Amino acid sequence: QVQLQQWGAGLLKASETLSLTCAVYGGSFSGSYWSWIRQPPGKGLEWLGGINHSGSTNYNPSLKSRVTISVDTSKNQFSLKLSSVTAADTAVYYCAKVAVVGTVYFYYYMDVWGEGTTVTVSS
Amino acid sequence: DIQMTQSPSSLSASVGDRVTITCRASQSISNYLYWYQQKPGKAPKLLIYAASSLQSGVPSRFSGSGSGTDFTLTISSLQPEDFATYFCQQSYSTPMYTFGQGTKLEIK
Repeated sequence: QVQLQQWGAGLLKASETLSLTCAVYGGSFSGSYWSWIRQPPGKGLEWLGGINHSGSTNYNPSLKSRVTISVDTSKNQFSLKLSSVTAADTAVYYCAKVAVVGTVYFYYYMDVWGEGTTVTVSS
Repeated sequence: DIQMTQSPSSLSASVGDRVTITCRASQSISNYLYWYQQKPGKAPKLLIYAASSLQSGVPSRFSGSGSGTDFTLTISSLQPEDFATYFCQQSYSTPMYTFGQGTKLEIK
């Protein structure tokens, strides 16, 4: 059973860089795809980007210039950096495992989530 | 980008009611549609994948339907533990995923 444990700074000042890490316990780290998702207070979910074990990344185009996701396979961890934060980046940030099901057609969804990290950006 | 729009944004209902939540995609996404339930302070939990397949362990009172651009999540008989916020998600544009804005289901 895969479990995700995440951590990082919860209070930032505008223009600083947000940095979060997610550790994967159990399951196959190399066999899965890993994502970061955030949720501003009282709002919906926004996918930020994802990475596989070899370091191949995909980012949400709306944030691509500020987001960096990296992986440390020796520790079964992946990390998120978001530069030049503003108050609009205040949110709960989740790491998640992307599951794939199907044989001919493939369905991708988040089946395991971290507990979330509340990040507040002050001006 | 594929936009996902849910309706209603909020809904009041009573225990035992039948409830339907709608999700509409800005373009056809076939059946690459998923439903999640989120309770306050918790991460989302998957209920339905591939528009209509029930995730293991999810009660059978939850069901999903639809294809193309219009999808529904139905709860056949609301239970007290079902009061939560529900989100839809598409994976047609994988590896880029988008979510609906959520529907908050409250007790009447």
